[in-house]
Amino acid sequence: QSALTQPPSASGSPGQSVTISCTGTSSDVGNYNYVSWYQQHPGKAPKLMISEVSKRPSGVPDRFSGSKSGNTASLTVSGLQAEDEADYYCSSYAGSNNYVFGSGTKVTVL
Amino acid sequence: QLQLQESGPGLVRPSETLTLTCTVSGGSISSNRYYWGWIRQPPGKGLEWIGSIYYNGNTYYTPSLKSRVAISVDTSKNQFSVNLNSVTAADTALYYCVRRPGTLYHYIDVWGKGTTVTVSS
Repeated sequence: QSALTQPPSASGSPGQSVTISCTGTSSDVGNYNYVSWYQQHPGKAPKLMISEVSKRPSGVPDRFSGSKSGNTASLTVSGLQAEDEADYYCSSYAGSNNYVFGSGTKVTVL
Repeated sequence: QLQLQESGPGLVRPSETLTLTCTVSGGSISSNRYYWGWIRQPPGKGLEWIGSIYYNGNTYYTPSLKSRVAISVDTSKNQFSVNLNSVTAADTALYYCVRRPGTLYHYIDVWGKGTTVTVSS
């Protein structure tokens, strides 16, 4: 199985929105509503931001939202803030208790 | 609050076996809800799923590593471990131990801080 495809970088000014795509196949993203998104600041462990395509865990700001269409999932960060600058990774269930991650997207707040 | 802490050698020789242990605190590893797993991140690269173990000992491995990896659990010590044999430089990475909340949940809700492993002679 191959890594999910994400754009290497994305950017936006404070207050703007940025959307990150995550493209897989009909064997992972397209077959299950089990896409999750993780935020990773430098030197830190990843943090869950979105589960099951669009569910926000407790404590995650509602500026973060997720969606999916076909084999592509998306994470949107609205009202960008300086602390949103980080790497973001998507992940999808791929069957048989196996998972695949995206290649990662570096979000820069201009 | 549940915490995970990885431990193990920071340097492993090529062709040898990498062994890492994750100590679980603030909760029982024997709970019949959770899966315990390992994820790695090569320097400057993305995340890679390694595999997981259920409380009953059932194990699940990513296909690309299945022939070299084994995950086990020691309930008496509230720990789980990963063994990766025949390592090469490509196995150099930051290794995270993680928790998946249950059979119906396909995400990671708890991460360790990670431990760096370098494969070099």
